[in-house]
Amino acid sequence: AQSVTQLGSHVSVSEGALVLLRCNYSSSVPPYLFWYVQYPNQGLQLLLKYTSAATLVKGINGFEAEFKKSETSFHLTKPSAHMRDAAEYFCAVRTGTASKLTFGTGTRLQVTL
Amino acid sequence: EPEVTQTPSHQVTQMGQEVILRCVPISNHLYFYWYRQILGQKVEFLVSFYNNEISEKSEIFDDRFSVERPDGSNFTLKIRSTKLEDSAMYFCASSEVGGGGANVLTFGAGSRLTVL
Repeated sequence: AQSVTQLGSHVSVSEGALVLLRCNYSSSVPPYLFWYVQYPNQGLQLLLKYTSAATLVKGINGFEAEFKKSETSFHLTKPSAHMRDAAEYFCAVRTGTASKLTFGTGTRLQVTL
Repeated sequence: EPEVTQTPSHQVTQMGQEVILRCVPISNHLYFYWYRQILGQKVEFLVSFYNNEISEKSEIFDDRFSVERPDGSNFTLKIRSTKLEDSAMYFCASSEVGGGGANVLTFGAGSRLTVL
């Protein structure tokens, strides 16, 4: 069975500081991993995805994530937070040929001045 | 940029009533999905739909739930005999291709269902 765990339901950073949102996955087969972001009153928007082509994946809005098989992690980072990054971030995993995405519980990012 | 639109944004209903949540997927997408998120919990898969048939469903999707594509643009989720525990945010999604792998879903903003 596939699953993801997002550590920290709320993360607060200062504007300009490093953003680190944690995601660990559990899968018995090579996973496909995704980060989605949800801004207030909007849908889930894809930030980036891991497809085994490269372990460091760059996404939109300056975000990136690194797949670490040894740590079963796919943490999301951004070097310098901006106020507009305040949103809820979801990590998700899919394995095999099934279409189902399994999501984490989400991390709400707050960016302060 | 193409988007998935959902209506209503918020619906309040009495327990035991029927509700229909509506979605307009992206026009060239052929695969459709419903997910839901109970407050404070994970986003959970409900059902996937292709070629007018359910292709996959979760244990949550019991016989009170049904999906339909009544015309060429809408995709609906119907919940009969609603229960308190059906209260959640329901997300519709669509994709151009189906199956697993790196297939990317585009989500709507969600419909919040409150069952009293």
